[in-house]
Amino acid sequence: DTRMTQSPSTLPAAVGDTVTLSCRASQNINTWLAWYQQIPGKPPKLLISRASTLVSGVPSRFSGSGSGTEFTLTITNVQPEDFATYHCQQYRTPPWTFGQGTKVEI
Amino acid sequence: QLQLRESGPGLVKPSGTLSLTCDVSGGSIITNDFYWDWIRQTPGKGLEWIGSVHFRGSAYYNPSLQSRATVAADTSKNQFSLRLTSVTAADTGVYYCVRGAENPRGLYDHWGQGTQVTVSS
Repeated sequence: DTRMTQSPSTLPAAVGDTVTLSCRASQNINTWLAWYQQIPGKPPKLLISRASTLVSGVPSRFSGSGSGTEFTLTITNVQPEDFATYHCQQYRTPPWTFGQGTKVEI
Repeated sequence: QLQLRESGPGLVKPSGTLSLTCDVSGGSIITNDFYWDWIRQTPGKGLEWIGSVHFRGSAYYNPSLQSRATVAADTSKNQFSLRLTSVTAADTGVYYCVRGAENPRGLYDHWGQGTQVTVSS
């Protein structure tokens, strides 16, 4: 299985900050990487596919980059509704696997 | 607007069988463009893909759960289901039914709200 490792586990932030979340794959997944946002009590919501393609309706302050084994999610000008947990997921090789999540908190 | 909704017992006894159903509304599961999957979120492993089913009946599983899991589609009811046998406390968590793209596989754009399942005597 492809292991996905996210860092940090928790990321303190303030409204207006720019934050960067990291995701590392245990093997080359090219750009077959997705990012999801999860608010407590809600299901994950797809934000980004193919490492950097924003899903329709997702604010442009979210951006993704990377390829191979190293990926980042950047949130520019963090808004109150962005405080959530973010999960990365590889869909290069089954079984599809997720990182353990990074919680962006105040 | 596609909606998925999970239903089933919230409490299952150890060594028993977990059975969940996902009702799909606002769209048909009879499509070559999507698979219908189950993903769970447990305290021990976080988000974990369980398996997926195509409306024609083909199914795929996470090898770690393959011996215990069965995913099936019922086109007459526009729903799909999950059975997980020989459950233990490690199977306690929130179970989501999701829609996955056919190409590429493994990308999830619609999720149910999730249902909490607790394994306990």
